[in-house]
Amino acid sequence: KQEVTQIPAALSVPEGENLVLNCSFTDSAIYNLQWFRQDPGKGLTSLLLIQSSQREQTSGRLNASLDKSSGRSTLYIAASQPGDSATYLCAVVPGAQKLVFGQGTRLTINP
Amino acid sequence: DAGVIQSPRHEVTEMGQEVTLRCKPISGHNSLFWYRQTMMRGLELLIYFNNNVPIDDSGMPEDRFSAKMPNASFSTLKIQPSEPRDSAVYFCASSLVGKPDEQYFGPGTRLTVT
Repeated sequence: KQEVTQIPAALSVPEGENLVLNCSFTDSAIYNLQWFRQDPGKGLTSLLLIQSSQREQTSGRLNASLDKSSGRSTLYIAASQPGDSATYLCAVVPGAQKLVFGQGTRLTINP
Repeated sequence: DAGVIQSPRHEVTEMGQEVTLRCKPISGHNSLFWYRQTMMRGLELLIYFNNNVPIDDSGMPEDRFSAKMPNASFSTLKIQPSEPRDSAVYFCASSLVGKPDEQYFGPGTRLTVT
């Protein structure tokens, strides 16, 4: 059974810092991996999608990497801003149509 | 497009009562997913439908939970009888069949069972 773990569970950093969120998964047989953002009281918004054949994806200040063989992904946020404060979730597609989510990292950027 | 619509946004009910959560997927989407989010277990897939047909309900916790999709534009998740441990945020998401990585999530229904 695929399991996804995110570390740390919570992170608080001052504005302007670069930071890394971590995601690990137990079964390397995945179709792709996604990073989502969840704001309080809201649904999930997809940030980046990495296909299994890719190593990384970039969108603005966000960069996500994927190492299937080691079962790891990282989300790098450059020059963090208070508006980046949210919960970030990692999810893998192990097959069929399912998304398997990690518990998330709650990020707080302090002005 | 209005996105995925869920109702109600908040529901408070007493233990033993029946609860019905509703979802309207994005027009044209033919896959629909129900998730439950709790602090302890995170976000879990309960059930998903393709073309109104339930495909995988292995995540449904027990017989008290049931889901239906009578047509392409409407789905319900029912809990009967409800218990305090059912308190959670329930999300509905939709996508095209075969595109699980393009799911659009609704805002969720926060359920509190007292």
